Amino acid sequence: SQQGEEDPQALSIQEGENATMNCSYKTSINNLQWYRQNSGRGLVHLILIRSNEREKHSGRLRVTLDTSKKSSSLLITASRAADTASYFCATGTGTASKLTFGTGTRLQVTL
Amino acid sequence: EAQVTQNPRYLITVTGKKLTVTCSQNMNHEYMSWYRQDPGLGLRQIYYSMNVEVTDKGDVPEGYKVSRKEKRNFPLILESPSPNQTSLYFCASTARGYGYTFGSGTRLTVV
Repeated sequence: SQQGEEDPQALSIQEGENATMNCSYKTSINNLQWYRQNSGRGLVHLILIRSNEREKHSGRLRVTLDTSKKSSSLLITASRAADTASYFCATGTGTASKLTFGTGTRLQVTL
Repeated sequence: EAQVTQNPRYLITVTGKKLTVTCSQNMNHEYMSWYRQDPGLGLRQIYYSMNVEVTDKGDVPEGYKVSRKEKRNFPLILESPSPNQTSLYFCASTARGYGYTFGSGTRLTVV
């Protein structure tokens, strides 16, 4: 089955720096979503970008989508220690229920 | 508070002993899903439901059953659990066009 693949697998930055995570996928999608997961807890939805959109912002988050390259990026600006978490991209196809996740990027933000 | 509630949070059971993990949402969402999360494999969809009495297999349905008799509830049933079903399980719900709301997870160990 198709799957988003995040890159890098792990990222360590200092507080105040920007963090960029990338996601690549294989087939056509209806939308692409980003989620955050703190260790062992439930995932929290961050942002959804539709296939006809190229860029979307939410607070310190900026998501881009390039359907020609089948890729997306998540930028977190001015990172904080509280941003330390795993970040997953998920591709939506067909019905709203069909959402396929990647394996995630583990972000560590140090003081 | 809008939420997805899973029970139990932790469960240790023995091989072959039938178990049910409950999931309930209070947001009147049509769509609900079950995922399992394993190290290195990310989240994989087990089953999903588009409405009452409408369910379909995800990517890893073997060994699991679900039912959707009411809109708010979507229980996951393991008829004969095996050790390879030891995992972290998440229930999630959404309305079409929006991101998923996840439960807090159920950590299942089968010995």
